[in-house]
Amino acid sequence: EAQVTQNPRYLITVTGKKLTVTCSQNMNHEYMSWYRQDPGLGLRQIYYSMNVEVTDKGDVPEGYKVSRKEKRNFPLILESPSPNQTSLYFCASSLLPLGNYGYTFGSGTRLTVV
Amino acid sequence: QKEVEQDPGPLSVPEGAIVSLNCTYSNSAFQYFMWYRQYSRKGPELLMYTYSSGNKEDGRFTAQVDKSSKYISLFIRDSQPSDSATYLCAMSPLDSGGGADGLTFGKGTHLIIQP
Repeated sequence: EAQVTQNPRYLITVTGKKLTVTCSQNMNHEYMSWYRQDPGLGLRQIYYSMNVEVTDKGDVPEGYKVSRKEKRNFPLILESPSPNQTSLYFCASSLLPLGNYGYTFGSGTRLTVV
Repeated sequence: QKEVEQDPGPLSVPEGAIVSLNCTYSNSAFQYFMWYRQYSRKGPELLMYTYSSGNKEDGRFTAQVDKSSKYISLFIRDSQPSDSATYLCAMSPLDSGGGADGLTFGKGTHLIIQP
């Protein structure tokens, strides 16, 4: 089944404790992206990757890191999480970044930082 | 400018009603228009996609784009309780760089279909 898999689905952590949210896709997609979704603010792009070893900042990159060492994986790293990073996170992938291909989203990771 | 406006709702209608969901936008460069459906505690899933102006129909769903008015709509006929979800519009210019020039989402409309 073609899908984007995120782990974990739920995570509660403490301020300052480094964490990684994994994202993997099995569709051989070039393009991958991370979003956070907050009430009243909608989906906001954190980082994106056009291909292996090519990443760039989205609208809200502060406090996040990403890497793209393999085509299928695009982990999101929070080096020192803070409470304002409490959010619902989605990984998405697409054959190409052009809008006509649409994005396939993962099921989301709900992160709580206390 | 990438602003996309979408009424957050909630929009509550009785089962069987025709539902109209709308987005307005300001960037005339947008050429691709999509609707995503997001169930509670799930990721968005692509529902409809249209290119440029016109209508597209898929079962009970019709997507409509009016580029002259910078206005897009999604109509749902014979609405069902299973259609209850948040609907997000999304749009993109022809040549998307994938990041800041990539897909721009509305904030979503929460739809409730009452049995």
